[in-house]
Amino acid sequence: AQSVTQPDIHITVSEGASLELRCNYSYGATPYLFWYVQSPGQGLQLLLKYFSGDTLVQGIKGFEAEFKRSQSSFNLRKPSVHWSDAAEYFCAVGDSGGYQKVTFGTGTKLQVIP
Amino acid sequence: SAVISQKPSRDICQRGTSLTIQCQVDSQVTMMFWYRQQPGQSLTLIATANQGSEATYESGFVIDKFPISRPNLTFSTLTVSNMSPEDSSIYLCSVDGGTEAFFGQGTRLTVV
Repeated sequence: AQSVTQPDIHITVSEGASLELRCNYSYGATPYLFWYVQSPGQGLQLLLKYFSGDTLVQGIKGFEAEFKRSQSSFNLRKPSVHWSDAAEYFCAVGDSGGYQKVTFGTGTKLQVIP
Repeated sequence: SAVISQKPSRDICQRGTSLTIQCQVDSQVTMMFWYRQQPGQSLTLIATANQGSEATYESGFVIDKFPISRPNLTFSTLTVSNMSPEDSSIYLCSVDGGTEAFFGQGTRLTVV
C-alpha cells in the first residue's frame, strides 16, 4: 500500500529565508506525487504535481519540488519565504490512476517569523 | 478544473443525531471521494463513490456510520450517523479532475 511520510511536524523560518519541506513516499510503481497547502480555515490548494518527465517541477507561489527516485523523496522548496506562506503543507501520493485516491502525509505546519 | 460546492460549510450538532453533507460539482465526474480531517490531523479517505454502484469504504469506515449516496455524476452526499464528539472533524469531498484531485472547501462539524 502507498504511504507518505513527512518527518517534520512543525517548521519555523524567518521571512526571506529559504524553505525545504521533506517528504518520503512508498509506492510500488512510478508514483504520482502532489503537494497541497491548507491555510487556516481554507480548503486544500494544489501547489504542484509530478507524474513523469523532468524531476524538478515548478508550482504556484514560487514553490518547486524535486522527485528523487533513489531516495523516494519529493521535497518542496522555496528560495524566499513570505509571511503569507504560513500554512500547513501536505505531501500526497496518488493511486494507480494518479489522481483518484490520494494518500496524504501527516502534514508540516509552517510558521513564518518576521 | 472542477468547482466543488459543499454544504453546509459548518455545523454544530447534538450527539446521537445525523448530519448529511452535500457535494455538488460543476461538471460530470466518474469518481468522487470523501475524506475526513480530524483536528490537528491529516486527511483520511473515508470512501469512494461511483455513480450507479455502492460506495467503497476504506478500512475503519462502515456504511452504517457513513452512508453515501451518488445519484448522478455531479452530486454526492455523505451522512455522519449517530454522531459522537469523536466525529468532530472537517469532512471534504474530492473529485477526480483528470490530472489532479480537486477538493471542496470542507464541512467543519462539531458534535456536542
